[in-house]
Amino acid sequence: SQQGEEDPQALSIQEGENATMNCSYKTSINNLQWYRQNSGRGLVHLILIRSNEREKHSGRLRVTLDTSKKSSSLLITASRAADTASYFCATDPGGTSYGKLTFGQGTILTVHP
Amino acid sequence: GAGVSQSPSNKVTEKGKDVELRCDPISGHTALYWYRQSLGQGLEFLIYFQGNSAPDKSGLPSDRFSAERTGGSVSTLTIQRTQQEDSAVYLCASSPGRRSGQFFGPGTRLTVL
Repeated sequence: SQQGEEDPQALSIQEGENATMNCSYKTSINNLQWYRQNSGRGLVHLILIRSNEREKHSGRLRVTLDTSKKSSSLLITASRAADTASYFCATDPGGTSYGKLTFGQGTILTVHP
Repeated sequence: GAGVSQSPSNKVTEKGKDVELRCDPISGHTALYWYRQSLGQGLEFLIYFQGNSAPDKSGLPSDRFSAERTGGSVSTLTIQRTQQEDSAVYLCASSPGRRSGQFFGPGTRLTVL
């Protein structure tokens, strides 16, 4: 079952613009992770934010987490054509299910040069 | 260093046949995960192995699916009596621990005719 719901399902922007993707989830989590997938194959881990963190940065990526609203957002600043990919959020419940990720449906990002 | 590798990259089989999918995790990673990705179901957790602990098989969709991990390294996912609904991309991931992000392989695309 898919816990995360991502919004929007698809996003099309011009190079240099910022891209924001949102993820909502339903149950309590230990951490939330964002992944990128190119061409429908292997996923690349981008960033992990723990439930006691509110914001995290990595290069051009900024992730926020609001556990009271059970939502997270991924911001990619100054986008590049190479950022074109599908982006997934994944929740980790922790406890005895640590590492057992539940993925959202993903956002397809297209960055036009 | 070498990432997670999977073989074969593509597998076409006839309904009713058994298939074996292989995953070589990153050396030293104690946790190994199997997921599958299909158009209708998105990314689904199947099973994970953590060190010498009993695997968490809670995501396996039926008793036709099984997996083993030999010597704490290589893992094989076996699907017996394949059905058309088993057609999907099967992704393997490993991580240095359950509290880390996961490193994914390129996947095996399984097509059941």
